[in-house]
Amino acid sequence: EAQVTQNPRYLITVTGKKLTVTCSQNMNHEYMSWYRQDPGLGLRQIYYSMNVEVTDKGDVPEGYKVSRKEKRNFPLILESPSPNQTSLYFCASSPQDPGDEQYFGPGTRLTVT
Amino acid sequence: GEDVEQSLFLSVREGDSSVINCTYTDSSSTYLYWYKQEPGAGLQLLTYIFSNMDMKQDQRLTVLLNKKDKHLSLRIADTQTGDSAIYFCAERANTDKLIFGTGTRLQVFP
Repeated sequence: EAQVTQNPRYLITVTGKKLTVTCSQNMNHEYMSWYRQDPGLGLRQIYYSMNVEVTDKGDVPEGYKVSRKEKRNFPLILESPSPNQTSLYFCASSPQDPGDEQYFGPGTRLTVT
Repeated sequence: GEDVEQSLFLSVREGDSSVINCTYTDSSSTYLYWYKQEPGAGLQLLTYIFSNMDMKQDQRLTVLLNKKDKHLSLRIADTQTGDSAIYFCAERANTDKLIFGTGTRLQVFP
């Protein structure tokens, strides 16, 4: 089944404890992206990647890192999480670029206390 | 800068039509999209329209684009309870990203 998977689905952590949210797609897509969803703010892009080893900042990159060592994986790293990073996170992928249909993962709900 | 705005809530009776509105600021937008987010899930593409079109119809969905006013709407005919979801408008400008709106939560009651 073609899909985007994220792990974990739910995570509660404490301020400053490094964490990684994994994202994997099995559709051989070039483009991958991370978004955060907050009430009243909609979806905001954190980072995106047009291809392997190519990553760029989105609108809200501060406090996050990403890597794209393989085409299928695009992990999101929070080196020192803070409470304002409590949010719902989505990974998405599309065949070539963001204008193609984006396929979204199921989301990761992160709480930082 | 680029900005996409939507009203936050819409409530309709089952069987009525729903109209979800969106305004955007970037006149160079090439494509505009509607995505649907069901409870507890990620977004799914519903439909899209190219900027040189005024209207697109797809079964119960009608998209209207007023490029002069930078206004996009999504009409859902014969709205069903299964249409209850959050609907996001998004624009593709001349950048490597989509700009999403705040989302409109559609509630359909019997």
